[in-house]
Amino acid sequence: DADVTQTPRNRITKTGKRIMLECSQTKGHDRMYWYRQDPGLGLRLIYYSFDVKDINKGEISDGYSVSRQAQAKFSLSLESAIPNQTALYFCATSDAGPFTDTQYFGPGTRLTVL
Amino acid sequence: SQQGEEDPQALSIQEGENATMNCSYKTSINNLQWYRQNSGRGLVHLILIRSNEREKHSGRLRVTLDTSKKSSSLLITASRAADTASYFCATDPTQGGSEKLVFGKGTKLTVNP
Repeated sequence: DADVTQTPRNRITKTGKRIMLECSQTKGHDRMYWYRQDPGLGLRLIYYSFDVKDINKGEISDGYSVSRQAQAKFSLSLESAIPNQTALYFCATSDAGPFTDTQYFGPGTRLTVL
Repeated sequence: SQQGEEDPQALSIQEGENATMNCSYKTSINNLQWYRQNSGRGLVHLILIRSNEREKHSGRLRVTLDTSKKSSSLLITASRAADTASYFCATDPTQGGSEKLVFGKGTKLTVNP
């Protein structure tokens, strides 16, 4: 979905390197999410943010950090990458509301840590 | 831990046949959503059904929800090769007030021409 973009799309890095994955959205949504996807495990939530001043840990936040630079931008960092962080990473957005409604996903970043 | 579990894990059918996928979940929900993912791409929202709804249609898609059994099914009628993808259910649990989705592991659907 062109409304949610992720950079880079593919990245190969070495153990111990610092990596930043970026997400931008033009949907005007307040809520943004970072997920990782591993084969056979579905999507797991890393961090989420409901507005610029709100950051929350998800199911698997260890080894990751995030920054919400603006309503439209949400970055995920791996301070010291390790091989088991090799995965497909997705950013998603949703509109604010009493319940969690439709999420819109970016195209994903395939990260390989050697 | 996963809230939703899809069944079967994989399904292979011929073009024109119907495909049925099931999702079971553990706790009470506000809504349940189905998403499709083409290989290596982002998820795309298909349909949302709220806890007070029992059935919903969208084109060739039919979703049912049975809150007493904590289960949902997604039916794709008259399948096409382009329907080949993985399908995920996602639940919005009522407890915790955390307003985030919990995804299942997905059903991989293959539609053979």
